Amino acid sequence: AQSVAQPEDQVNVAEGNPLTVKCTYSVSGNPYLFWYVQYPNRGLQFLLKYITGDNLVKGSYGFEAEFNKSQTSFHLKKPSALVSDSALYFCAVRDSNSGYALNFGKGTSLLVTP
Amino acid sequence: NAGVTQTPKFQVLKTGQSMTLQCAQDMNHEYMSWYRQDPGMGLRLIHYSVGAGITDQGEVPNGYNVSRSTTEDFPLRLLSAAPSQTSVYFCASKRTGPSYEQYFGPGTRLTVT
Repeated sequence: AQSVAQPEDQVNVAEGNPLTVKCTYSVSGNPYLFWYVQYPNRGLQFLLKYITGDNLVKGSYGFEAEFNKSQTSFHLKKPSALVSDSALYFCAVRDSNSGYALNFGKGTSLLVTP
Repeated sequence: NAGVTQTPKFQVLKTGQSMTLQCAQDMNHEYMSWYRQDPGMGLRLIHYSVGAGITDQGEVPNGYNVSRSTTEDFPLRLLSAAPSQTSVYFCASKRTGPSYEQYFGPGTRLTVT
């Protein structure tokens, strides 16, 4: 089965510092990987995806993610964190067994402090 | 476009009651799905549909029914609510195909007492 793991429940970073939210994947075949963000009491918003091509994927709100096949990772990054980036972040992988639904990680709570 | 809409936003049920969570999308997406979100567990797939008249089970389908009579609507029915179904429910839709991202509704927070 296709799955992702987010090893950190929470990440704390000071405003202006770079941030990284980690994700590793386990898939058979080529991975289709996604990052979503959830603000309090809101639905999930799409940030970016890796399908094929460049290993560095750029997305919304200044976020980017680096696909690393040898380390089976897809870490989310941002060069300079904002307090407004504080939210819950989910990594997800396409599931080929359910019409291409998504299998989600458990989520990582990002807290950016002023 | 309104995107994906869900009603109600909040609901409290007593054990054994039934109800329907509504979901609609105006993006002409063939694929729709229902997830539940529980603390520390991410989102888990309940049911999905690849088009009108076609539905299938996801990871956690027990206690839920779905139907898809139109492209736009994908209601989720709780047949006999149980406290274990207390959760936040999200509906999502996307274009058919493996590379397209899903668009999520705002969610329904359900409490079963």
